[in-house]
Amino acid sequence: GAVVSQHPSRVICKSGTSVKIECRSLDFQATTMFWYRQFPKQSLMLMATSNEGSKATYEQGVEKDKFLINHASLTLSTLTVTSAHPEDSSFYICSARDGGAQYNSPLHFGNGTRLTVT
Amino acid sequence: DAKTTQPPSMDCAEGRAANLPCNHSTISGNEYVYWYRQIHSQGPQYIIHGLKNNETNEMASLIITEDRKSSTLILPHATLRDTAVYYCIVKGLGGASKIIFGSGTRLSIRP
Repeated sequence: GAVVSQHPSRVICKSGTSVKIECRSLDFQATTMFWYRQFPKQSLMLMATSNEGSKATYEQGVEKDKFLINHASLTLSTLTVTSAHPEDSSFYICSARDGGAQYNSPLHFGNGTRLTVT
Repeated sequence: DAKTTQPPSMDCAEGRAANLPCNHSTISGNEYVYWYRQIHSQGPQYIIHGLKNNETNEMASLIITEDRKSSTLILPHATLRDTAVYYCIVKGLGGASKIIFGSGTRLSIRP
């Protein structure tokens, strides 16, 4: 089946530094990927839609200059948390849909990245 | 995309069938019903989806009412590994169509 790989699975960084998270579709091409954030005991919150070769579309309330998204190829999207602060500590999850599959095919999710900002 | 309503929590005895309900009364004609689950500290796992007919796969069965305003996910023989948060999602067509997660149902399987 379709596999989405996220890296790293866990990262700890100091306040003020930037962290990059990678999301790869391993066996399919994804023109669109989605980035979510999840705080403890809460549901997943959609942050942005990442489109290959164009600018990402951010959800209301998500700062595009703080959460930089790059979707440079059909198999890779990256999320960079810039100038991270402790309140950015969260579980970040990406998902992708197989562009060659049927129109109603499901999204496939990565296993998430646990970010801790100290 | 239509919103969904699910009970916040349920429990089920191991080996019994777990029936998880979902209300999606504002679903439109071209929207599918998808079910995912999330085991602690992992990404969501796809379970099953359907439009109007009942569906079954190796993981579960999906029963959609005739008016499509509600559905039930059935795990036929629940095991401890089925303990997770289950999300019912309604989504339109198209690759860029977003998946918006509700609060889901926290299913606990008791031995």
